[in-house]
Amino acid sequence: GNSVTQMEGPVTLSEEAFLTINCTYTATGYPSLFWYVQYPGEGLQLLLKATKADDKGSNKGFEATYRKETTSFHLEKGSVQVSDSAVYFCALSRNTGRRALTFGSGTRLQVQP
Amino acid sequence: DGGITQSPKYLFRKEGQNVTLSCEQNLNHDAMYWYRQDPGQGLRLIYYSQIVNDFQKGDIAEGYSVSREKKESFPLTVTSAQKNPTAFYLCASSMKGSFTDTQYFGPGTRLTVL
Repeated sequence: GNSVTQMEGPVTLSEEAFLTINCTYTATGYPSLFWYVQYPGEGLQLLLKATKADDKGSNKGFEATYRKETTSFHLEKGSVQVSDSAVYFCALSRNTGRRALTFGSGTRLQVQP
Repeated sequence: DGGITQSPKYLFRKEGQNVTLSCEQNLNHDAMYWYRQDPGQGLRLIYYSQIVNDFQKGDIAEGYSVSREKKESFPLTVTSAQKNPTAFYLCASSMKGSFTDTQYFGPGTRLTVL
């Protein structure tokens, strides 16, 4: 079946540090890949997405590249801010059958001033 | 402004009661979804609907029911058959339900069983 594995958190960084959150997936075919962010007590917001191999999604300084050879979609940011503190979810959507999202367990990021 | 609204924000239920969570969208999206989130976990799919008057079970549909009588509305009923209903419930929608579509999420309803 389909699955998404993320690095466990919490990840604690100082402001302006470099961020990497690892995400790998298992899926048949060529899924679309997403990163969502959740702030405390809120719903999820799309951060970025990539719909085919070698695509790079980017938004608000965050980037992730769809690597089919390593089945990965790692999230990176060059310089984090306190306002980036949130829970980050990696997710996939299959291109056949059910089109709902399959989520990873989430990674909590805490950025200290 | 277009978006997804969920109500209520907080809901308390006694054992043995059914409760209904509201989800409305004005994005003119065809597809709608219900997910459940438990502490420290990812979201799990309860039900989804690609078009009006049609819906499909997700991974954890037991103890839940839905209806899709209107394009903009997708209410979720948590029945007394759901053994552990305390969780955060999130509704989402997407334009056509394509695998490349972005899903847009509502603010969620936190259900607590007393």
